[in-house]
Amino acid sequence: GQQVMQIPQYQHVQEGEDFTTYCNSSTTLSNIQWYKQRPGGHPVFLIQLVKSGEVKKQKRLTFQFGEAKKNSSLHITATQTTDVGTYFCAGVTTSGTYKYIFGTGTRLKVLA
Amino acid sequence: NAGVTQTPKFQVLKTGQSMTLQCAQDMNHEYMSWYRQDPGMGLRLIHYSVGAGITDQGEVPNGYNVSRSTTEDFPLRLLSAAPSQTSVYFCASSYVRHAYEQYFGPGTRLTVT
Repeated sequence: GQQVMQIPQYQHVQEGEDFTTYCNSSTTLSNIQWYKQRPGGHPVFLIQLVKSGEVKKQKRLTFQFGEAKKNSSLHITATQTTDVGTYFCAGVTTSGTYKYIFGTGTRLKVLA
Repeated sequence: NAGVTQTPKFQVLKTGQSMTLQCAQDMNHEYMSWYRQDPGMGLRLIHYSVGAGITDQGEVPNGYNVSRSTTEDFPLRLLSAAPSQTSVYFCASSYVRHAYEQYFGPGTRLTVT
């Protein structure tokens, strides 16, 4: 079946270090979204990418969508303790449907 | 706006019992969905709806029923609870015609013993 994998599963970084999580789909994605979930909370939308090769930035966060639209990445520059949480990607594999497939998530811990 | 609300927050069921998890949104979103979240598994789509009267299955629909009689409400029914349904359940909603940004409710933590 359709799968969206994320690596790494866990990441511990020292505050101020950079962090990257990768999202890989077994099929071509129509679009991809990224969400952040704080411990004990619910997923909160960060961004959506639609175009092949698209790059978007939000302050210290940089999001990329691969040229083949099968992978994506989220990079955080100079992590802060407020970045703690689990980051999920979610893709729509078929244009015109709304079946979102979520990645397995990357749990980020930031050590002060 | 209350956004997406879910009740109850916590629930304990015995195997074989049935119950309904409630989800409501006040943003006039066409799209609503139910996910379950298990450790190490991410979020898995159970059922979704693109409008009142229209529902479809997601990745893991077995053991769950949904209906969508109004735009605002999208209840999830567990027909005969099993320990494998112990999970955190999230409801989400979004516009269909715009950026598909999904708004999630606070979740229901369900334990089946």
